[in-house]
Amino acid sequence: KQEVTQIPAALSVPEGENLVLNCSFTDSAIYNLQWFRQDPGKGLTSLLLIQSSQREQTSGRLNASLDKSSGRSTLYIAASQPGDSATYLCAGTGANNLFFGTGTRLTVIP
Amino acid sequence: GAVVSQHPSRVICKSGTSVKIECRSLDFQATTMFWYRQFPKQSLMLMATSNEGSKATYEQGVEKDKFLINHASLTLSTLTVTSAHPEDSSFYICSALGPSGYEQYFGPGTRLTVT
Repeated sequence: KQEVTQIPAALSVPEGENLVLNCSFTDSAIYNLQWFRQDPGKGLTSLLLIQSSQREQTSGRLNASLDKSSGRSTLYIAASQPGDSATYLCAGTGANNLFFGTGTRLTVIP
Repeated sequence: GAVVSQHPSRVICKSGTSVKIECRSLDFQATTMFWYRQFPKQSLMLMATSNEGSKATYEQGVEKDKFLINHASLTLSTLTVTSAHPEDSSFYICSALGPSGYEQYFGPGTRLTVT
């Protein structure tokens, strides 16, 4: 069974800093890797989806990479803003379901 | 983009009663939907996979008689928590498999509190 781990569990940075969130998974036979954002008490917002054949995806200030051979994905956030404060979840796609990591709680300090 | 709605967003019920949560794909048809639950400060856990026109597939440890899933149409799946107990209080999120066949679109979630 796929296990997904996220490090660190919590991160605080001053506004404007660039930061990297890490995600590792045990089974390299994933189909896709997806990054989500979750605000307190809210549902999930999909940020980036990297298909199995891709190595990275970019959207605005976000860049996600995928290295299946090492079982790792990273989410890079450039020029962080207080509005980026949220919990970030990565999820590996198995056969039509998702295996979620435990998340990284990000706080961007103004 | 694809939109998934859930209703209600928040519900409080008494112990022993049943509550139904609806998940709808608003602008696309979804033959497959998923139900997740999330306890405070924990990640989402898949409860079951809901397939239109057939029985749901439940994950290990999830009681199918307690969490009834009905996927009667291509745009609607329902989760009914029967004989709810306080330990069923949780955040329930549904998702629908999009037209691509590999991307899931998530609903906003339903906060269930059982008193």
